[in-house]
Amino acid sequence: EVQLVQSGPEVKKPGESLKISCKGSGYSFISYYIGWVRQMPGKGLEWMGIIYPSDSNTRYSPSFQGQVTISADKSINTAYLQWSSLKASDSAMYYCARRFRAASARDAFDIWGQGTMLTVSS
Amino acid sequence: DIQLTQSPSFLSASVGDRVTITCRASQGISNYLAWYQQKPGKAPKLLIYAASTLHNGVPSRFSGSGSGTEFTLTISSLQPEDFSTYYCQHLNIYPLTFGGGTKVEIK
Repeated sequence: EVQLVQSGPEVKKPGESLKISCKGSGYSFISYYIGWVRQMPGKGLEWMGIIYPSDSNTRYSPSFQGQVTISADKSINTAYLQWSSLKASDSAMYYCARRFRAASARDAFDIWGQGTMLTVSS
Repeated sequence: DIQLTQSPSFLSASVGDRVTITCRASQGISNYLAWYQQKPGKAPKLLIYAASTLHNGVPSRFSGSGSGTEFTLTISSLQPEDFSTYYCQHLNIYPLTFGGGTKVEIK
């Protein structure tokens, strides 16, 4: 079964660092992009950035550039999203998702992780 | 950045109704558009890609159309399990933004 399994919920304090993970299985991990999406409580989806695990080429949304770091370890089929200094406003659900791309605009995020809930509170 | 504007942001409908959601792009994106369904507390699910191609396993009552800057998602006969929030997303150039969402509720 093709799936992305994310790490569990986190409760952190402002100023702390954090790295959450997204492990792919059932497919060639290095052949597909992995994207990250934020969803704040009661709000819509926000695209944060994306990585190609084969070469770790990464692109960020301007809204998240400098605020988070996306990385991947292809040896263990895992992508990461990390913060160096958390803020209360980082409290949200974070999803990873696999991007498939083919000819003729056949392009979308077809497999999603279950989400990681982050709560940042003093 | 390309902005996607969905309308309406909320709609109330009955089982069996035909429902149409619109997604407008701030500039042309050819047909690099996907639609997702999200239920409360769950991850989004892909419904349609390339503006009009149904993803595997998605019921045929869902359809998509459009190209350039205007796109629609249509549910031909709304079923109880379709009451959800729907999002469009473009995949033309980075950043790959989402629309603001349309919540479909039971009338």
